[in-house]
Amino acid sequence: EPEVTQTPSHQVTQMGQEVILRCVPISNHLYFYWYRQILGQKVEFLVSFYNNEISEKSEIFDDQFSVERPDGSNFTLKIRSTKLEDSAMYFCASQREQGPNTEAFFGQGTRLTVV
Amino acid sequence: DAKTTQPNSMESNEEEPVHLPCNHSTISGTDYIHWYRQLPSQGPEYVIHGLTSNVNNRMASLAIAEDRKSSTLILHRATLRDAAVYYCILNFGNEKLTFGTGTRLTIIP
Repeated sequence: EPEVTQTPSHQVTQMGQEVILRCVPISNHLYFYWYRQILGQKVEFLVSFYNNEISEKSEIFDDQFSVERPDGSNFTLKIRSTKLEDSAMYFCASQREQGPNTEAFFGQGTRLTVV
Repeated sequence: DAKTTQPNSMESNEEEPVHLPCNHSTISGTDYIHWYRQLPSQGPEYVIHGLTSNVNNRMASLAIAEDRKSSTLILHRATLRDAAVYYCILNFGNEKLTFGTGTRLTIIP
């Protein structure tokens, strides 16, 4: 069964450093997302991406965050200067099409720890 | 976004059916009812969705009330692997999924 793959599974970084989280969505999917989940809290939407541009972003997704689909298969989330409060699980998701009558497929997540 | 209300936690015995309720009294006509679950230390996983009619798939069944103000996710025979947080989410075509706190399901061996 096709799946969304995320690497690395765990990333430890020092405060102020840049990190790039990587995702390989399902190959025929067109809509891509990043969500995060701080330990013990809800899963929160960060950003959606379609046709090589951001289609929606949340208040969390400030200028420190960026997304890119550099080569037609990978989908990356970059945090330019990490803060302690960026420590969380980051989930990538993809959908074949848009609309309420379709399901999202999530990766297993990257646990980001900022020290 | 239209809100859903779910019990914080539920317990069920292994190999018994489980009925997970969700109230969504402010649902609009175009909202689909989606269920996702999150197993420990994993990403959310799609379970099932529907609009008006009851739905069945290999994982579960979704029973939707006639007035659509509530729904029930049915796991026909719970296994230990079904222990997870179950999220009931209304999706009206907005791209993002809005997760609540869900129902933490514990399966008792």
